Order: sequence, then structure tokens, then C-alpha cells
Amino acid sequence: AQSVSQHNHHVILSEAASLELGCNYSYGGTVNLFWYVQYPGQHLQLLLKYLSGDPLVKGIKGFEAEFIKSKFSFNLRKPSVQWSDTAEYFCAVNTGTASKLTFGTGTRLQVTL
Amino acid sequence: EAGVVQSPRYKIIEKKQPVAFWCNPISGHNTLYWYRQNLGQGPELLIRYENEEAVDDSQLPKDRFSAERLKGVDSTLKIQPAELGDSAVYLCASSLSSLSKEQFFGPGTRLTVL
Repeated sequence: AQSVSQHNHHVILSEAASLELGCNYSYGGTVNLFWYVQYPGQHLQLLLKYLSGDPLVKGIKGFEAEFIKSKFSFNLRKPSVQWSDTAEYFCAVNTGTASKLTFGTGTRLQVTL
Repeated sequence: EAGVVQSPRYKIIEKKQPVAFWCNPISGHNTLYWYRQNLGQGPELLIRYENEEAVDDSQLPKDRFSAERLKGVDSTLKIQPAELGDSAVYLCASSLSSLSKEQFFGPGTRLTVL
């Protein structure tokens, strides 16, 4: 069974700092990778996804992620965070034709002014 | 376009009581998912429906949990009787089909069992 690891549980950054959140998965076959974001009091929203093709994917609000197959990683990046990026970020994977999403435990990002 | 709707948003019950959660997926979405999210964890799939058929319920604790999706639209998830460990957020999600890789989530129902 696949699993997803998010190593950073709680990250605190100042506005304008650069962000990188780690995500590693364990599965040897074809994968689809996702980052979801949950802003305070709101529901989970898709930030970006990798299905195939270019391993560098761009999402909403200036976020991007790079799929590195050899490292089983899909790290999320943003060059300059804003206070409004304060949220919980979840990495998720589904494998092959399966539609079940397996989530990581999430990373809580706190951006200070 | 309306998103996934869930009710109630919050529910507090005493242990051994029954509880039910309702979900209305996005119009036209054939696949519906129920997830449970424990505090400090990511969501975990409980059951997946393709139209009215439950096609993956391997993670559903069948001794106390049940679900239905009559007519392939709305769905209800029930717990009877609830236990303290059932306290969690119950999330409903939908997608156009099982081939569609994007799932859309509702706001969830936060259940507290006392």
C-alpha cells in the first residue's frame, strides 16, 4: 500500500521568505500527485497536481511543485510567501488507475508579518 | 457552480448514540467519497461510490458504520453506536468519475463524541 510522508509538521516563516515543504511517497509504479490546501475555517482545495508530462507543475497563488521520480518526492515551493498563505498543506497520491487518495499528515504553515 | 455540500457542520453527541451525516456532491459528479480526518492527520478514505454502488468500502468499520447513496446523488454516512474514538472530521468529496483525478471536497462535519 502506498504511503505519504510530510516531514515538516509546523513551519513558521516571515512574509517574503521562501517556502519549501517536503513530500515523499512510497510506491514504485505510476503515480498522480497532489497538493491540497486548507485555509482556516475553509474546506480542502486543490493547489496543484501532477498527472504526467513536465515534472515541474505550477498551481494557484504562485505555488509550484517538482516531481522527482528518482527521489519519490513532490516538494511544494513558493519564492515569497504572504500572510494569507497561512494554512495547512496536504500532499496526496493516487496510484495508477486507482482513485483512492492517500494523504500525508499535513504541514501547518504560519506566516508572520 | 455549487460545491460539495455537507450537513451538519458540527455535531456533539454522547457515546453510544447514533449519528448521521449528509452529503450532496457537485451536480453531475458520479463518484462520491467519504473520508475521516482525525486530529493532526490527513484524511483517510472510508468508502467510495460509483453512482449508487459502493466499490471500495474496505476501510469502513462495518460493525458500526454504514453508508448509502440512493439514486446515485446524495449520500448518508451513519454511525451506530458512536464511540469516543469516532471523534473526527468527516469529509465528503466528489469527482466526475473514478477516472477523473481531481476530487472536490466539502467543508466536513466535525463530530465530537462525549
